[in-house]
Amino acid sequence: GNSVTQMEGPVTLSEEAFLTINCTYTATGYPSLFWYVQYPGEGLQLLLKATKADDKGSNKGFEATYRKETTSFHLEKGSVQVSDSAVYFCALRSAGNNRKLIWGLGTSLAVNP
Amino acid sequence: SAVISQKPSRDICQRGTSLTIQCQVDSQVTMMFWYRQQPGQSLTLIATANQGSEATYESGFVIDKFPISRPNLTFSTLTVSNMSPEDSSIYLCSVDLMVEAFFGQGTRLTVV
Repeated sequence: GNSVTQMEGPVTLSEEAFLTINCTYTATGYPSLFWYVQYPGEGLQLLLKATKADDKGSNKGFEATYRKETTSFHLEKGSVQVSDSAVYFCALRSAGNNRKLIWGLGTSLAVNP
Repeated sequence: SAVISQKPSRDICQRGTSLTIQCQVDSQVTMMFWYRQQPGQSLTLIATANQGSEATYESGFVIDKFPISRPNLTFSTLTVSNMSPEDSSIYLCSVDLMVEAFFGQGTRLTVV
């Protein structure tokens, strides 16, 4: 079945450091891929998405590229800020009839000044 | 996009009681989803609520414990029945628009 494997946290970085959070997936066909973010005390919100191979999603300085050959959708940011401290979830939605969202376990990021 | 209002935002409840969580969407949607997010864990889908038919429950969740109503295309409720401390969690309402999922702010439930 479909699955998402996400880098375990917590991740602690200093401000302006480079961030990578790894995400790989297992799915048939061409799923849509997502990164959601949950800031402290807030609900989940979409950070970025990619719906086909080689697409790059980007938002708020974050980027992730849909890599079909490596079944990956790693999240990156060149220079993190304290305000990026949050929990990040990788997710996929399959292309077939069963279009449920499949979630990774989440990665907690803490950015220190 | 979709704006989802969920209430209550948090509650502390006695074991053995029930809590009903409401979810209101600012547009008509076919399906509404209810998730549970236990402390430090990912999201687990409880059920899918369709207007005019019974909700579809995921493995491990049953209607007697989590009854759901869906009276129209913009509103749903989830009841957590006969609560125990193990039900302490964040409960989230969600809708899909195209490929994107939108979420309510969540209900943080603590059972004592």
